[in-house]
Amino acid sequence: SYELTQPLSESVALGQTASITCGGNNIANKNVHWYQQRPGQAPVVVIYRDSNRPSGIPERFSGSNSGDTATLTIRGAQAGDEADYYCQVWDSGTVLFGGGTKLTVL
Amino acid sequence: EVQLVESGGGLVQSGRSLRLSCAASGFSFEDYDMHWVRQPPGKGLEWVSGISWKSGNIDYADSVKGRFTISRDNAKNSLYLQMNSLRVEDTALYYCAKAVTWGADFDYWGQGTLVTVSS
Repeated sequence: SYELTQPLSESVALGQTASITCGGNNIANKNVHWYQQRPGQAPVVVIYRDSNRPSGIPERFSGSNSGDTATLTIRGAQAGDEADYYCQVWDSGTVLFGGGTKLTVL
Repeated sequence: EVQLVESGGGLVQSGRSLRLSCAASGFSFEDYDMHWVRQPPGKGLEWVSGISWKSGNIDYADSVKGRFTISRDNAKNSLYLQMNSLRVEDTALYYCAKAVTWGADFDYWGQGTLVTVSS
């Protein structure tokens, strides 16, 4: 079965750039979606179909997908970006989430 | 404004049943696919089940197949999850989520309803 691999945690200095990866076999052939989940809140989609930003999501958030790795990039990280981030794909008619990455803003 | 409000969670003994509901408003419910996603305490997201707008497409995670049943009532703008033979490992916050389309992302989520299964 298909698997998505995310690092458990990442840290970034305030104002710097954070990159969160999501690994999967030939993931470039799939549409990858990214969700942000702040503590005690429901997930919010921040990137859909690899690199598209929903309205209301800051331009600081961007996504890419190539080969076996999809990447969520957050430029100029702010304290409010501290959250768990999940990648998601569809595979064989079912939905898969990555294990999640806890982003800490230092 | 899109709103998804889950209800029906609670404390239940292992082996018993529970029915979750999700009341939708602020969009044309009958036109969109809907899903249930759960999150065990302190853990990550796990997709549970999805149902297409006319109920023609229904899928389940292997972990709940044969025990859970998803359904919807478009006239009542409501989504349901019938959970039978509950196990301790089903303990989680259950979210209702709206899909952009089958195979796409989840653009709106409810705040969840907590299901706790005791042994």
